[in-house]
Amino acid sequence: NAGVTQTPKFQVLKTGQSMTLQCAQDMNHNSMYWYRQDPGMGLRLIYYSASEGTTDKGEVPNGYNVSRLNKREFSLRLESAAPSQTSVYFCASSEPGQGAGEQYFGPGTRLTVT
Amino acid sequence: RKEVEQDPGPFNVPEGATVAFNCTYSNSASQSFFWYRQDCRKEPKLLMSVYSSGNEDGRFTAQLNRASQYISLLIRDSKLSDSATYLCVVNDPRSGGYNKLIFGAGTRLAVHP
Repeated sequence: NAGVTQTPKFQVLKTGQSMTLQCAQDMNHNSMYWYRQDPGMGLRLIYYSASEGTTDKGEVPNGYNVSRLNKREFSLRLESAAPSQTSVYFCASSEPGQGAGEQYFGPGTRLTVT
Repeated sequence: RKEVEQDPGPFNVPEGATVAFNCTYSNSASQSFFWYRQDCRKEPKLLMSVYSSGNEDGRFTAQLNRASQYISLLIRDSKLSDSATYLCVVNDPRSGGYNKLIFGAGTRLAVHP
């Protein structure tokens, strides 16, 4: 039981390049989330998927797209990376409703855009 | 104004000390409250939920004051292993349910021998 896994762990991109961050969970959770974490700002929600087949914008969606590929997998795409997207990205999953308070996080992807 | 505000610290305390963290939240409609712990360069993990009546888990006590929109975490008999960043978290009532959480920026605790 791996929980939430993310790939890659580290990535360096040049401005304008694109990439997809992968996330998978094996806990049969319905809801999945993508966050970014920057110093002094806490975790900010980029996109979330309350259940398979649905996605919704969070607090900071600009410059990102997501795909809920199936119940297990939720990917985050940067179409044209910018230095402002340098951050640590966390994927998380939970049960919906009141269970959403307990979110299980992946180990994170450290992204640097030069 | 940030939706969830915490003193960033760091709080530097000796082993065995009692330390308290505070947090305020801006939306009075929030219904669910939590403390998460995040070790350096690791992912956040749920430490405990916070209930209206207050709750305790071993050396950790969490309290909620809805009237003041204030949440606290008390750690007694601090251990070296308690060194981490503690995140105050509330649900986002604008999401129409409990699906979305709002995270504070965290309070860093350093326990020294």
